[in-house]
Amino acid sequence: SQTIHQWPATLVQPVGSPLSLECTVEGTSNPNLYWYRQAAGRGLQLLFYSVGIGQISSEVPQNLSASRPQDRQFILSSKKLLLSDSGFYLCAWSSLAGGQETQYFGPGTRLLVL
Amino acid sequence: AQSVAQPEDQVNVAEGNPLTVKCTYSVSGNPYLFWYVQYPNRGLQFLLKYITGDNLVKGSYGFEAEFNKSQTSFHLKKPSALVSDSALYFCAVRDDTGGFKTIFGAGTRLFVKA
Repeated sequence: SQTIHQWPATLVQPVGSPLSLECTVEGTSNPNLYWYRQAAGRGLQLLFYSVGIGQISSEVPQNLSASRPQDRQFILSSKKLLLSDSGFYLCAWSSLAGGQETQYFGPGTRLLVL
Repeated sequence: AQSVAQPEDQVNVAEGNPLTVKCTYSVSGNPYLFWYVQYPNRGLQFLLKYITGDNLVKGSYGFEAEFNKSQTSFHLKKPSALVSDSALYFCAVRDDTGGFKTIFGAGTRLFVKA
């Protein structure tokens, strides 16, 4: 069966520090991968998605970036964190099936920027 | 452009009573509709989806949803609510034009009182 991992679970970082959040998927090949941010326990904002290694699409221009160095690894990064980057970050995967596919979410990383 | 509306921030229901969480959508092509549930400090869990066919879709934990094309709605229902159903519920939509972006509603918090 497929599983998705995210780490760390919780992170407290000072403003201006770098960020690296990691997401890995097991049990599937060539997944679509997604990074979302959820603010204040409400709606999800799509940040990045990837349909293959090295292929990243950005939905919201900001000081975050994403990379996909391996088929089942998706990394969210920042060179300098802002206070507004605080939130709950969710990684998700889906199989390539033309839009009908379900997205499966990881447990999330709660980021607090102070 | 795609959009999803969940008109209620919060729904309160007594245990054993039926519950409904409302969702309306707007897409360019044919819709693919999803419901997810989120428990505190967790990722989203898939409940059910409508792709095509029977307008009444049955999902996990006794939930069901009815697709209504004329009203562009996809309301989530359960005949008898449980206290353990208390959570944050998200409606989401994609269309069949081939894009990878899923639009999520703002979420509806369900409180089931014993």
